[in-house]
Amino acid sequence: EVQLVESGGGLVQPGGSLRLSCAASGFTFGSRWMHWVRQAPGKGLVWVSRITGDGSTISYADSVKGRFTISRDNAKNTLYLQMNSLRPEDTAVYYCIEWELGWGQGTLVTVSS
Amino acid sequence: QPVLTQPPSASGTPGQRVTIPCSGSSSNIGSYTVNWYQQLPGTAPKLLINSNNQRPSGVPDRFSGSKSGTSASLAISGLQSEDEADYYCAAWDDSLRGLVFGGGTKLTVL
Repeated sequence: EVQLVESGGGLVQPGGSLRLSCAASGFTFGSRWMHWVRQAPGKGLVWVSRITGDGSTISYADSVKGRFTISRDNAKNTLYLQMNSLRPEDTAVYYCIEWELGWGQGTLVTVSS
Repeated sequence: QPVLTQPPSASGTPGQRVTIPCSGSSSNIGSYTVNWYQQLPGTAPKLLINSNNQRPSGVPDRFSGSKSGTSASLAISGLQSEDEADYYCAAWDDSLRGLVFGGGTKLTVL
């Protein structure tokens, strides 16, 4: 069974940083592209970033480029999202996804003073 | 503004068939497969249809997907009250080098 479990969310002040993690199991993690997708309260789904299986190719939504960094550790079956210079508009539930296999339960990031 | 276009709402009565359209362009739906996701209230999205028309294990055959050109659609037959949810289409986009989603369609079972 595919499982994706996010952690690391919380309340942070504007300008602060957070690191999200996503522990994957039930599939060959190292061979799959992985994505982060976010959902602001009451809003739709928005893609944030993706990384190829070997980590060689990465892309970001314009709204987070230069502030967020996606990475992965295939030995630990774990995906990461380092979020710096956070803004109130980054407030959302962040989901780790393998878009053909499944979604995590999400972790809430709240950026507020 | 979402890249893929879906109607914000749809509705039907129990037993009815409902279709949710999703419109894109040549850089996304026109070139890549479409996935559909169901999001029940207060929960994470769940994969409903992948590769345009494939149902993952456990998804009832009441749900079906299709694609033609730069548009796709999700059909739900034999509508049930538990189908009340938000439905999202998604595809890879070459221009943006990322996934693009529709704005979501809130399905109400009357």
